[in-house]
Amino acid sequence: DSGVTQTPKHLITATGQRVTLRCSPRSGDLSVYWYQQSLDQGLQFLIQYYNGEERAKGNILERFSAQQFPDLHSELNLSSLELGDSALYFCASSVGVDIVYEQYFGPGTRLTVT
Amino acid sequence: GQNIDQPTEMTATEGAIVQINCTYQTSGFNGLFWYQQHAGEAPTFLSYNVLDGLEEKGRFSSFLSRSKGYSYLLLKELQMKDSASYLCAVRLNAGNMLTFGGGTRLMVKP
Repeated sequence: DSGVTQTPKHLITATGQRVTLRCSPRSGDLSVYWYQQSLDQGLQFLIQYYNGEERAKGNILERFSAQQFPDLHSELNLSSLELGDSALYFCASSVGVDIVYEQYFGPGTRLTVT
Repeated sequence: GQNIDQPTEMTATEGAIVQINCTYQTSGFNGLFWYQQHAGEAPTFLSYNVLDGLEEKGRFSSFLSRSKGYSYLLLKELQMKDSASYLCAVRLNAGNMLTFGGGTRLMVKP
């Protein structure tokens, strides 16, 4: 158990809908990262927050957005869902960002868009 | 773009040694990480290298050559539970975000 929690574990929804994925980092970790893992794309970095502020953006679609709240938990919002958005979404956390820190991954949310 | 290449699949025998290679061509480099991921589960950290050379952690070792853009993960005394995907990832800059390779699926056979 990495100490990172994600809810829900599974989510099934229809095309065009909007969903919110939630992540709580390990106690003491200030940075949160979101990754998408699909069969054909591998693990892709989406976005990073550090202490409430957006720090880095990767291959995140405009239909997706995220935020980190004052209690450091984070939410990833996915809207106008398409079949291709079906994937495992992982959240990871680390203590900081300026030197090399190990990232601890949560168990993931499996999103199925039908 | 960023290129991180690993073999897609490897097979090895229980008790043997296996080496999983990773080559990278990236716009920046601030460290290389190895993660293990069992099917449907979260990646778990194995090792990282920032400087050239070998890092050893029990049955797992990782090597880095920055001039060659090359790393390998060495697994000794293979066990059936080592059957998993092994992900190579490069930390591009000081922001700590990771860019992952496609992963190598290792099958350990009796």
